[in-house]
Amino acid sequence: DGGITQSPKYLFRKEGQNVTLSCEQNLNHDAMYWYRQDPGQGLRLIYYSQIVNDFQKGDIAEGYSVSREKKESFPLTVTSAQKNPTAFYLCASSIQTGQETQYFGPGTRLLVL
Amino acid sequence: GENVEQHPSTLSVQEGDSAVIKCTYSDSASNYFPWYKQELGKRPQLIIDIRSNVGEKKDQRIAVTLNKTAKHFSLHITETQPEDSAVYFCAASKRSRQFYFGTGTSLTVIP
Repeated sequence: DGGITQSPKYLFRKEGQNVTLSCEQNLNHDAMYWYRQDPGQGLRLIYYSQIVNDFQKGDIAEGYSVSREKKESFPLTVTSAQKNPTAFYLCASSIQTGQETQYFGPGTRLLVL
Repeated sequence: GENVEQHPSTLSVQEGDSAVIKCTYSDSASNYFPWYKQELGKRPQLIIDIRSNVGEKKDQRIAVTLNKTAKHFSLHITETQPEDSAVYFCAASKRSRQFYFGTGTSLTVIP
């Protein structure tokens, strides 16, 4: 778990503002994921990436965007189109998609001002 | 796509008793089933996992059973302790696909 980091720990967003959440891993994992966690709803997948320069939408991708330019990094941008962004955001990585253990980062809590 | 259902949503047990959490899945091609424990405000951490070629796996007080025919799998915690109190998530996946998570079970162990 120490090999995957997220920053910042807390993030405040103003109306109409885009914000970017950072996720970095030094585990040499090919696959990376972003989840949103709201109380009582478990983990919902926003985007995932199986390899560099490739990513797929998850169940709740609207209002979010990602990039995967480096193996180690998978930043998530919460755009102004996401009208209810307040949540706990978790990044995860695994050796490959769907078959190996996912390791989670410590999370970023996003709050709207 | 896959649909994972998890029950119960909350569970309270006396210290020393056993706890059982059950999950069902819909996609018969799913072949990897991890369980995660999440303490309040912390990240989920893997506690045990099972693959479809195995029916049961144990690790000290924790065990997972898988019934491929019925498409359900269960987490068993024996001799529960207060530090077992947390939210537990099941998940299902297959190669080159995303993980699908259950909605979580909040376990409280009463001393």
